[in-house]
Amino acid sequence: GAGVSQSPSNKVTEKGKDVELRCDPISGHTALYWYRQSLGQGLEFLIYFQGNSAPDKSGLPSDRFSAERTGGSVSTLTIQRTQQEDSAVYLCASSFQMTPTYEQYFGPGTRLTVT
Amino acid sequence: AQSVSQHNHHVILSEAASLELGCNYSYGGTVNLFWYVQYPGQHLQLLLKYFSGDPLVKGIKGFEAEFIKSKFSFNLRKPSVQWSDTAEYFCAVNDYSGGGADGLTFGKGTHLIIQP
Repeated sequence: GAGVSQSPSNKVTEKGKDVELRCDPISGHTALYWYRQSLGQGLEFLIYFQGNSAPDKSGLPSDRFSAERTGGSVSTLTIQRTQQEDSAVYLCASSFQMTPTYEQYFGPGTRLTVT
Repeated sequence: AQSVSQHNHHVILSEAASLELGCNYSYGGTVNLFWYVQYPGQHLQLLLKYFSGDPLVKGIKGFEAEFIKSKFSFNLRKPSVQWSDTAEYFCAVNDYSGGGADGLTFGKGTHLIIQP
């Protein structure tokens, strides 16, 4: 079946603009995760959803970051007033259920460049 | 907070050489351990995982890893590497401290280059 998809694959934006990144998880996967991959920090966990709920938002880097999920499916990660340090690859992953024993399947990522 | 250390950031080997990539984690409780691989231009994909039971786990493409609880280690091994194993390798941990619902904590990755 189809894997996790993300759009856009690449996004170049000017500093101060808002951007919205989209993730389509594997059908039937209830858990969804966002990560950020950058040169200096490696892979960082940002936030997870169980269904439409995100119980813990403490992993988001700043209050300029927000995420939502609707219908237990598509999720969007929004970055307001982008800064150059936001440049990174943003990865989405999904798993069948929210327990540690289910494998997370990763999407191809969105490469964000803030100029 | 959980942390994961991968000691080798860049490894260069010749084909047919044996491979061992180190991974150590910090959390002393129950953990699940993973190795992910990212081939050039491709997604992260799971190589192998350890949840419980036999500490020697076998994954895809001839890879295996051994969980040594006393050493907080989960080293990845392959007896004979191939040129196609050139990739970035990430060790990751998920512990139960947050009820098991947290995301994975990744190491910084090891860039492996296999020379023909």
